Amino acid sequence: GNSVTQMEGPVTLSEEAFLTINCTYTATGYPSLFWYVQYPGEGLQLLLKATKADDKGSNKGFEATYRKETTSFHLEKGSVQVSDSAVYFCALRGGGSNYKLTFGKGTLLTVNP
Amino acid sequence: EAQVTQNPRYLITVTGKKLTVTCSQNMNHEYMSWYRQDPGLGLRQIYYSMNVEVTDKGDVPEGYKVSRKEKRNFPLILESPSPNQTSLYFCASSLNDYNSPLHFGNGTRLTVT
Repeated sequence: GNSVTQMEGPVTLSEEAFLTINCTYTATGYPSLFWYVQYPGEGLQLLLKATKADDKGSNKGFEATYRKETTSFHLEKGSVQVSDSAVYFCALRGGGSNYKLTFGKGTLLTVNP
Repeated sequence: EAQVTQNPRYLITVTGKKLTVTCSQNMNHEYMSWYRQDPGLGLRQIYYSMNVEVTDKGDVPEGYKVSRKEKRNFPLILESPSPNQTSLYFCASSLNDYNSPLHFGNGTRLTVT
């Protein structure tokens, strides 16, 4: 079945530091890939997505590129802000009959001023 | 505004007392799903529905029921709640399309004593 593995947290950075959160996946066929963000006390919000190999999703300074050869979808941001502190989830959709979204376990990011 | 609305946000109940968590979406989405989020386990799918009157089990359906009588509503029913159902619950909706992201509600934090 489908699975997503993302780097364990927590990750603690200083403001303006470079962020990478690694995500790799296992899936049959050609899934779509997503990053979601969960701010404290809130639901999950879509951050970005990519639906085919070599696509780059981007939003709010975050980027991730769909790499089929390495089955990866790493999240990056060049300069993080305190307001980026949240839990980040990598997820995939595809390869099955129920359109299920399969999540990684989440990575807690804390950005200090 | 396009949204998924869950109620209540917080619920404390006792073992065995039947409860319903409501979920409604205003985006005319065919697909709706319930997830639970637990520390260390991430998000796991409970039930899903691909259209009106079509529902099926996800990964952790035991102890839960759902119904889909109308396209916009997808309530989650716990007939006899137990303490191991204490969790954070999310309802989500989307088009029936692997490329379509899931839109999430703000969550219901359930405590069963």
